[in-house]
Order: sequence, then C-alpha cells, then structure tokens
Amino acid sequence: AQKVTQAQTEISVVEKEDVTLDCVYETRDTTYYLFWYKQPPSGELVFLIRRNSFDEQNEISGRYSWNFQKSTSSFNFTITASQVVDSAVYFCALSLSGGSNYKLTFGKGTLLTVNP
Amino acid sequence: KAGVTQTPRYLIKTRGQQVTLSCSPISGHRSVSWYQQTPGQGLQFLFEYFSETQRNKGNFPGRFSGRQFSNSRSEMNVSTLELGDSALYLCASSLGGTSIADTQYFGPGTRLTVL
Repeated sequence: AQKVTQAQTEISVVEKEDVTLDCVYETRDTTYYLFWYKQPPSGELVFLIRRNSFDEQNEISGRYSWNFQKSTSSFNFTITASQVVDSAVYFCALSLSGGSNYKLTFGKGTLLTVNP
Repeated sequence: KAGVTQTPRYLIKTRGQQVTLSCSPISGHRSVSWYQQTPGQGLQFLFEYFSETQRNKGNFPGRFSGRQFSNSRSEMNVSTLELGDSALYLCASSLGGTSIADTQYFGPGTRLTVL
C-alpha cells in the first residue's frame, strides 16, 4: 500500500523568508505520480504541480520550486521569499497508474503561516 | 472555463437522516472522484466514477454511495448519518479515460455537519 508522510505539521515564518515543505512517499510501484495542492482557508484544494516517477527534473515556477529525489523517495516544495498570501495548508499526494490511477493518497498536510 | 461546482456548500443534518451531495465537473471532464476531509483522518478517497461506472472505491462503509449521470455530473449519498460523518466533502474532476493519473481539479467542497 502507498503512503505519504508530511512530517511538518505546522511551520511559521516571517514574510520574505524561504521555506521548504517536506514530503516523503512510499510505494512499491515503479510508475507513480506525485502532486502538491494548496488549501487556503476557503477550503478548495488548488493544484500546484504534477510529476511522474520517470521525470526527476526539478521544477521552478516563479517563487515555487520542487525537488524530486527518487533515491530518498522525497518530493519537497520550496517557497522563496514567502508572502502572507502563501499562508495555507499544503498537501502532498501520490497516485499510481493503471486501475488506481484516480485514487489520490494524501499526506496529513503542513499548515504554513506567513507573518507580516 | 468554469471550475468544479458543488452544491450545497453547507448542510446541517441530524443523526439517522440521509443526505445527497452534488458535483458538476469541469466541462469535458469525464472522471469524478469524491474525498472526505476530517481533522482526525485527513483527506480520504471515497470513490471515483467514469462514464457512469464506479471504477475505484475507498474503505468506507456501504452507507456511502454515489452515482454518475450521462452528463458526467455526480452525486454522493450518505444514509443513516452518524456524528462521525461530519466533514468537508470534496469532489474532483479530471479528463479520465487513460491509464495515467490525470490531474484532479477540486471543487470548493460541501461542509456537512451532523448533529
């Protein structure tokens, strides 16, 4: 069975600080997909990134960057120069290919608070 | 393009009642998944529908059921409500029809409170 662990329950930073959210996953499958979602106080999950297991290239999108390392089964998310609007709960998720490809397994989430 | 919509946004029921939640996917999306979010258990997968057929099911009792219509809209039903069913119910849609994991786009959720 697959599992996603987000060890950081809560993180608090001051605006403009960089912050990294950790995600460690477990699966025996060789083909899988990793996601990050943001959940602001409104409740809706907002898609941030999707990465498949064969693509270990790191990705940067504006202030956001993701570091995928298969060797350590990690998919970490870094926000550079954080802003108050980044305050939210962030979820890392995993899905497999084939019959279970539409079942997302989520971590418990990390509550990020960015203080002015 | 309009996003995923869910109705109602808030619902209050009493134990023993039943409830039906509705989800309209993004236009062109044929897969609809449902998730339950609670403070204790986090986000848990309920089931997924594609072309009016349930393809995947999570570990929830039979009181939780769903269906999908020919226009891809989906409903989920919870019968004989229990206090522990109080949660945010999230619906997600994706293109579907492939063996890879499409991105799932989520709606705003329905907040169910059982008294």
